[in-house]
Amino acid sequence: QSVLTQPPSASGTPGQRVTISCSGGSSNVGLNPVNWFQQLPGTAPKLLIYDNNQRPSGVPDRFSGSKSGTSASLAISGLQSEDEADYYCAAWDDGLTGVVFGGGTKLTVL
Amino acid sequence: QVQLVESGGGVVQPGRSLRLSCVASGFTFSGYAMHWVRQAPGKGLEWVAVISRDGSNKYYSDSVKGRFTISRDSSRNTLSLQLNRLRPEDTAVYYCARDGRWLPDFWGQGTLVTVSS
Repeated sequence: QSVLTQPPSASGTPGQRVTISCSGGSSNVGLNPVNWFQQLPGTAPKLLIYDNNQRPSGVPDRFSGSKSGTSASLAISGLQSEDEADYYCAAWDDGLTGVVFGGGTKLTVL
Repeated sequence: QVQLVESGGGVVQPGRSLRLSCVASGFTFSGYAMHWVRQAPGKGLEWVAVISRDGSNKYYSDSVKGRFTISRDSSRNTLSLQLNRLRPEDTAVYYCARDGRWLPDFWGQGTLVTVSS
């Protein structure tokens, strides 16, 4: 059981917009920045969004992040087949004194 | 460019020990805290430990506290994880990751640890 809650799966067709939610609590998402990671099959995770809504250089602007209260969201617009991957949210938890991850969302491009 | 290369994984019997290493390059290693994160086969990401830039502060997940020890040698740009009293549930790919505001940002490719008799 992960501390941060994500839907296990999401799907969309090419060109569509998809959102993935990440629900936490007052000691993690409600208090600290959220990062999002993309993990393509068989590869290491890659930073997609940091500080709730910032994109590292090289990440397409089709990817965007937001946060409100104890929930965060990742939006992917103009969905492409290469976006098919697992997506994870993460935040520092002041109560646990450590990083907590969501359980991951498997995105399927139909 | 930023590079993190893990090594030291392998097959080990329950109760035994293993030491993982991660060599960093392409950035000022001493200027960053560093994390270990693991992923059991077919499962999600699980944070393991973090060490501060100067090594004075270390934090662990409850599942490894008292068994694993994180350390660093900035003279060799190397992060280490000592795994003691290993259990089958410690079987996972172990990733080292550079820190960005107390969260991982850049990740290595990982090293597989299999705990089995």
